[in-house]
Amino acid sequence: QVQLVQSGAEMKKPGASVKVSCKTSGYGFRSYDISWVRQAPGQGLEWVGRITVYTGNAIYSPNFQGRVTMTTDTSTTTAFLELRSLRSDDTAVYYCARGDVVVGMDVWGQGTPLIVS
Amino acid sequence: EIVLTQSPATLSLSPGERATLSCRASQSFSASYLAWYQHKPGQAPKLLIYGASTRATGVPDRFSGSGSGTDFTLTISRLEPEDFALYYCQHYGWSQWTFGQGTKVEIK
Repeated sequence: QVQLVQSGAEMKKPGASVKVSCKTSGYGFRSYDISWVRQAPGQGLEWVGRITVYTGNAIYSPNFQGRVTMTTDTSTTTAFLELRSLRSDDTAVYYCARGDVVVGMDVWGQGTPLIVS
Repeated sequence: EIVLTQSPATLSLSPGERATLSCRASQSFSASYLAWYQHKPGQAPKLLIYGASTRATGVPDRFSGSGSGTDFTLTISRLEPEDFALYYCQHYGWSQWTFGQGTKVEIK
Protein backbone atom coordinates (compact mmCIF):
# COMPACT_ATOMS: atom_id res chain seq x y z
CA GLN A 1 0.00 0.00 0.00
CA VAL A 2 0.99 3.63 -0.36
CA GLN A 3 3.13 4.76 2.58
CA LEU A 4 5.03 7.87 3.54
CA VAL A 5 7.38 7.35 6.48
CA GLN A 6 9.08 10.37 7.96
CA SER A 7 12.29 10.73 9.91
CA GLY A 8 12.26 11.07 13.67
CA ALA A 9 11.85 13.96 16.04
CA GLU A 10 14.40 16.76 15.96
CA MET A 11 15.61 19.30 18.50
CA LYS A 12 17.61 22.27 17.23
CA LYS A 13 19.01 25.53 18.48
CA PRO A 14 17.82 28.86 17.06
CA GLY A 15 19.76 29.72 13.93
CA ALA A 16 20.45 26.10 13.04
CA SER A 17 19.11 24.11 10.09
CA VAL A 18 17.07 20.92 9.93
CA LYS A 19 16.49 18.41 7.17
CA VAL A 20 13.45 16.14 7.42
CA SER A 21 13.03 13.11 5.19
CA CYS A 22 9.91 11.42 3.84
CA LYS A 23 10.44 7.90 2.48
CA THR A 24 7.70 6.86 0.08
CA SER A 25 6.63 3.45 -1.16
CA GLY A 26 3.80 1.71 -2.93
CA TYR A 27 3.28 4.05 -5.88
CA GLY A 28 5.04 5.71 -8.80
CA PHE A 29 7.17 8.34 -7.04
CA ARG A 30 7.56 10.55 -10.11
CA SER A 31 3.81 10.64 -10.77
CA TYR A 32 2.83 12.84 -7.83
CA ASP A 33 3.90 15.96 -5.99
CA ILE A 34 5.10 15.96 -2.41
CA SER A 35 3.77 18.72 -0.19
CA TRP A 36 4.92 19.77 3.25
CA VAL A 37 2.54 21.08 5.91
CA ARG A 38 3.20 22.04 9.49
CA GLN A 39 1.16 22.48 12.65
CA ALA A 40 2.57 24.58 15.46
CA PRO A 41 1.33 23.95 19.00
CA GLY A 42 -2.23 25.17 19.37
CA GLN A 43 -2.33 26.38 15.77
CA GLY A 44 -3.93 25.21 12.56
CA LEU A 45 -2.40 23.60 9.50
CA GLU A 46 0.04 25.71 7.50
CA TRP A 47 1.15 24.84 3.96
CA VAL A 48 4.93 25.12 3.58
CA GLY A 49 5.26 24.26 -0.10
CA ARG A 50 5.30 21.46 -2.62
CA ILE A 51 7.67 19.89 -5.11
CA THR A 52 6.75 18.28 -8.41
CA VAL A 53 8.93 15.18 -8.36
CA TYR A 54 8.99 14.68 -12.14
CA THR A 55 10.43 18.13 -12.83
CA GLY A 56 12.06 18.96 -9.51
CA ASN A 57 10.26 22.31 -9.50
CA ALA A 58 9.18 23.58 -6.09
CA ILE A 59 6.72 26.24 -5.00
CA TYR A 60 7.09 27.67 -1.53
CA SER A 61 4.77 29.64 0.70
CA PRO A 62 5.87 33.28 0.95
CA ASN A 63 6.07 32.73 4.70
CA PHE A 64 9.11 30.48 4.18
CA GLN A 65 10.68 31.92 1.04
CA GLY A 66 14.44 32.09 1.36
CA ARG A 67 14.63 29.70 4.31
CA VAL A 68 13.25 26.50 2.82
CA THR A 69 14.41 24.04 0.19
CA MET A 70 12.51 20.96 -0.95
CA THR A 71 14.29 18.21 -2.84
CA THR A 72 13.75 14.61 -3.85
CA ASP A 73 15.95 11.57 -4.46
CA THR A 74 14.25 9.42 -7.07
CA SER A 75 16.71 6.56 -6.53
CA THR A 76 15.42 6.10 -2.99
CA THR A 77 11.92 7.58 -3.56
CA THR A 78 12.54 9.98 -0.71
CA ALA A 79 11.60 13.62 -0.35
CA PHE A 80 13.39 16.12 1.84
CA LEU A 81 12.50 19.39 3.54
CA GLU A 82 15.34 21.64 4.67
CA LEU A 83 14.54 24.64 6.83
CA ARG A 84 17.30 27.10 7.75
CA SER A 85 17.77 29.94 10.23
CA LEU A 86 15.42 28.22 12.64
CA ARG A 87 13.43 30.28 15.11
CA SER A 88 11.43 29.26 18.14
CA ASP A 89 8.21 29.75 16.20
CA ASP A 90 9.31 27.02 13.79
CA THR A 91 8.53 24.57 16.59
CA ALA A 92 5.83 22.37 15.05
CA VAL A 93 4.97 18.97 13.67
CA TYR A 94 5.97 18.77 10.02
CA TYR A 95 4.04 16.50 7.68
CA CYS A 96 4.78 15.35 4.17
CA ALA A 97 1.91 14.39 1.91
CA ARG A 98 1.47 12.92 -1.54
CA GLY A 99 -0.79 14.73 -3.88
CA ASP A 100 -1.33 16.80 -6.94
CA VAL A 101 -3.54 19.52 -8.38
CA VAL A 102 -6.38 17.04 -8.87
CA VAL A 103 -6.80 15.66 -5.33
CA GLY A 104 -4.83 17.99 -3.11
CA MET A 105 -3.05 15.79 -0.53
CA ASP A 106 -4.35 12.24 -0.34
CA VAL A 107 -1.76 10.29 1.65
CA TRP A 108 0.17 11.70 4.59
CA GLY A 109 3.25 10.82 6.56
CA GLN A 110 3.06 10.35 10.30
CA GLY A 111 4.62 13.72 11.10
CA THR A 112 8.02 14.81 12.42
CA PRO A 113 8.08 16.93 15.58
CA LEU A 114 10.63 19.73 15.56
CA ILE A 115 11.52 21.69 18.68
CA VAL A 116 13.59 24.82 18.34
CA SER A 117 14.91 25.93 21.70
CA GLU B 1 -2.90 34.52 -2.08
CA ILE B 2 -6.41 33.25 -1.42
CA VAL B 3 -7.49 33.57 2.22
CA LEU B 4 -9.99 31.00 3.49
CA THR B 5 -12.22 31.83 6.44
CA GLN B 6 -14.01 28.97 8.16
CA SER B 7 -17.08 29.27 10.35
CA PRO B 8 -18.00 28.62 12.99
CA ALA B 9 -14.75 28.21 14.91
CA THR B 10 -16.42 25.59 17.11
CA LEU B 11 -19.53 23.53 16.51
CA SER B 12 -21.05 21.79 19.56
CA LEU B 13 -23.35 18.97 18.53
CA SER B 14 -24.56 15.58 19.70
CA PRO B 15 -24.01 12.25 17.94
CA GLY B 16 -26.64 11.73 15.29
CA GLU B 17 -27.02 15.43 14.55
CA ARG B 18 -26.17 17.15 11.28
CA ALA B 19 -23.04 19.30 11.03
CA THR B 20 -22.67 22.10 8.51
CA LEU B 21 -19.23 23.71 8.16
CA SER B 22 -18.60 26.78 6.05
CA CYS B 23 -15.51 27.91 4.16
CA ARG B 24 -15.47 31.32 2.50
CA ALA B 25 -12.71 32.49 0.15
CA SER B 26 -11.34 36.01 -0.27
CA GLN B 27 -11.66 35.63 -4.05
CA SER B 28 -13.46 33.28 -6.38
CA PHE B 29 -11.72 30.16 -7.65
CA SER B 30 -12.58 26.92 -9.38
CA ALA B 31 -14.33 24.37 -7.20
CA SER B 32 -11.91 21.83 -8.68
CA TYR B 33 -9.34 23.12 -6.20
CA LEU B 34 -11.15 22.95 -2.87
CA ALA B 35 -10.48 20.13 -0.39
CA TRP B 36 -11.59 19.25 3.12
CA TYR B 37 -9.47 17.43 5.70
CA GLN B 38 -10.22 15.88 9.05
CA HIS B 39 -7.53 16.14 11.74
CA LYS B 40 -7.48 14.36 15.07
CA PRO B 41 -4.89 14.96 17.84
CA GLY B 42 -1.78 12.86 17.43
CA GLN B 43 -2.74 11.72 13.93
CA ALA B 44 -1.96 12.89 10.43
CA PRO B 45 -4.69 14.85 8.64
CA LYS B 46 -7.01 12.81 6.45
CA LEU B 47 -8.35 13.88 3.07
CA LEU B 48 -12.16 13.75 3.05
CA ILE B 49 -13.27 15.71 -0.01
CA TYR B 50 -11.49 17.04 -3.09
CA GLY B 51 -12.77 19.02 -6.02
CA ALA B 52 -15.29 20.52 -3.57
CA SER B 53 -17.61 17.51 -3.75
CA THR B 54 -15.75 14.26 -4.50
CA ARG B 55 -15.27 11.94 -1.56
CA ALA B 56 -11.80 10.50 -1.17
CA THR B 57 -11.37 6.74 -1.20
CA GLY B 58 -12.96 5.06 1.82
CA VAL B 59 -14.71 8.17 3.15
CA PRO B 60 -18.25 7.37 4.39
CA ASP B 61 -21.13 8.84 2.44
CA ARG B 62 -22.35 10.80 5.47
CA PHE B 63 -19.64 13.30 4.45
CA SER B 64 -20.55 15.55 1.54
CA GLY B 65 -19.13 18.72 0.07
CA SER B 66 -20.68 21.43 -2.03
CA GLY B 67 -20.20 24.97 -3.19
CA SER B 68 -18.65 27.15 -5.84
CA GLY B 69 -16.99 30.50 -6.34
CA THR B 70 -16.24 31.79 -2.86
CA ASP B 71 -18.59 29.72 -0.68
CA PHE B 72 -18.06 26.07 0.14
CA THR B 73 -19.69 23.73 2.64
CA LEU B 74 -18.86 20.42 4.28
CA THR B 75 -21.86 18.56 5.63
CA ILE B 76 -21.80 15.57 7.95
CA SER B 77 -25.32 14.16 7.76
CA ARG B 78 -25.35 12.21 11.04
CA LEU B 79 -22.43 12.61 13.40
CA GLU B 80 -20.76 9.44 14.56
CA PRO B 81 -18.54 9.42 17.69
CA GLU B 82 -15.41 9.21 15.52
CA ASP B 83 -16.36 12.38 13.61
CA PHE B 84 -15.62 14.73 16.49
CA ALA B 85 -12.41 16.38 15.30
CA LEU B 86 -10.95 19.43 13.59
CA TYR B 87 -11.86 20.12 9.98
CA TYR B 88 -9.91 22.26 7.54
CA CYS B 89 -10.75 23.50 4.09
CA GLN B 90 -7.89 24.00 1.66
CA HIS B 91 -7.37 25.75 -1.63
CA TYR B 92 -4.95 23.99 -3.95
CA GLY B 93 -4.11 24.23 -7.60
CA TRP B 94 -1.25 25.46 -9.73
CA SER B 95 0.30 28.05 -7.43
CA GLN B 96 0.02 28.86 -3.72
CA TRP B 97 -1.98 26.51 -1.53
CA THR B 98 -3.69 27.73 1.66
CA PHE B 99 -5.70 26.34 4.57
CA GLY B 100 -8.59 27.80 6.47
CA GLN B 101 -8.07 28.21 10.19
CA GLY B 102 -10.21 25.19 11.01
CA THR B 103 -13.55 24.31 12.62
CA LYS B 104 -13.63 22.15 15.72
CA VAL B 105 -16.60 19.80 15.93
CA GLU B 106 -17.01 18.91 19.58
CA ILE B 107 -19.44 16.78 21.54
CA LYS B 108 -22.22 18.78 23.15
